[in-house]
Amino acid sequence: AQSVTQPDIHITVSEGASLELRCNYSYGATPYLFWYVQSPGQGLQLLLKYFSGDTLVQGIKGFEAEFKRSQSSFNLRKPSVHWSDAAEYFCAVGQGGGADGLTFGKGTHLIIQP
Amino acid sequence: EADIYQTPRYLVIGTGKKITLECSQTMGHDKMYWYQQDPGMELHLIHYSYGVNSTEKGDLSSESTVSRIRTEHFPLTLESARPSHTSQYLCASRERTEAFFGQGTRLTVV
Repeated sequence: AQSVTQPDIHITVSEGASLELRCNYSYGATPYLFWYVQSPGQGLQLLLKYFSGDTLVQGIKGFEAEFKRSQSSFNLRKPSVHWSDAAEYFCAVGQGGGADGLTFGKGTHLIIQP
Repeated sequence: EADIYQTPRYLVIGTGKKITLECSQTMGHDKMYWYQQDPGMELHLIHYSYGVNSTEKGDLSSESTVSRIRTEHFPLTLESARPSHTSQYLCASRERTEAFFGQGTRLTVV
């Protein structure tokens, strides 16, 4: 069965500092990987996705993520965070054409210090 | 912006009531999903659908039921709400490489 681990429940970063959110996955084949962001009381917005090709993917809002097969990781990065980046971030893994949904990590709550 | 809508956004209801959470999408996606999310927790898949007249149970057991009579509509029903059903319910639809989520319904059963 596929699974996703986000080791950090909370992360606090100063505004303007760099950010890295960790994600490790367990999956039998080449996974489809996603990062979503959720603001309080809102649904999920897709930041970026990986399913093939270049292992460094660019997303919206200045985020990027790197797929490392050898480490089963898909860490999310941003060079300089803004106060508006404070939110919950979810890593997810899923099958490409399957209809059985995505498996999500528990999420990382990002706090931005002024 | 994704064209997937959930109503109501917030619902407080008494124990034993029947409720239906609405989800509609205008993107023509065949695959639709319901996830349950407790505060501070991950999303758990409770129902999904491959298309019209298709419904399947997800990874997390749920007392809710779903129907898919039209492509664009995937309502979730609780016949008799209980406090243990208090949670956020998120609907999603999916094309091959991306799932689009509604804003969720926050349900409180008192």
